[in-house]
Amino acid sequence: DSGVVQSPRHIIKEKGGRSVLTCIPISGHSNVVWYQQTLGKELKFLIQHYEKVERDKGFLPSRFSVQQFDDYHSEMNMSALELEDSAMYFCASSLLGGFEQFFGPGTRLTVL
Amino acid sequence: AQSVTQPDARVTVSEGASLQLRCKYSYSGTPYLFWYVQYPRQGLQLLLKYYSGDPVVQGVNGFEAEFSKSNSSFHLRKASVHWSDSAVYFCVLSGNNNNAPRFGAGTKLSVKP
Repeated sequence: DSGVVQSPRHIIKEKGGRSVLTCIPISGHSNVVWYQQTLGKELKFLIQHYEKVERDKGFLPSRFSVQQFDDYHSEMNMSALELEDSAMYFCASSLLGGFEQFFGPGTRLTVL
Repeated sequence: AQSVTQPDARVTVSEGASLQLRCKYSYSGTPYLFWYVQYPRQGLQLLLKYYSGDPVVQGVNGFEAEFSKSNSSFHLRKASVHWSDSAVYFCVLSGNNNNAPRFGAGTKLSVKP
């Protein structure tokens, strides 16, 4: 399967804890965007990187940081987790300059 | 700034009926528009996209959408819905400004058998 890969698929953390979500884009895609979806509702734009540089920032909490690496995979570091961080986190990749996004299967984060 | 509005949070239709899901966008530049579908407990799948040219674009599973620059709209249509079309549908706008695509709030479609 050559689609976008996200890991882990499901993770449970305690309030105040930390978590790392990983996104591996489709080969050749250097543009990665992260979204948060709560309770199946709208996708909230968090942040975009392409060519390893942050290009656009949305609703990313200051407790979260995102980095894109040389191979274009992306990691979201989440700290001081709060109950309201419980959500599905999707990443999407696209070609640099491309407009169509390809979505990963998502990571379900549950904060207890 | 770019934004997308889907005015209908929920739509219910009977199987076999026609469907229109509305999408309005706001963007001063050239819009690139998409419809994605999300089935329960799944990720997002692309239904169709519009970049330029013929304002009516065909997608998968009999869906089509019509772009209207004058109305700033990109409505999704299907002539005859099936119960399996029950899902959440998102309208998405990309601009030629390197900003990330923006999603509408989504419309939850329920098809009654």
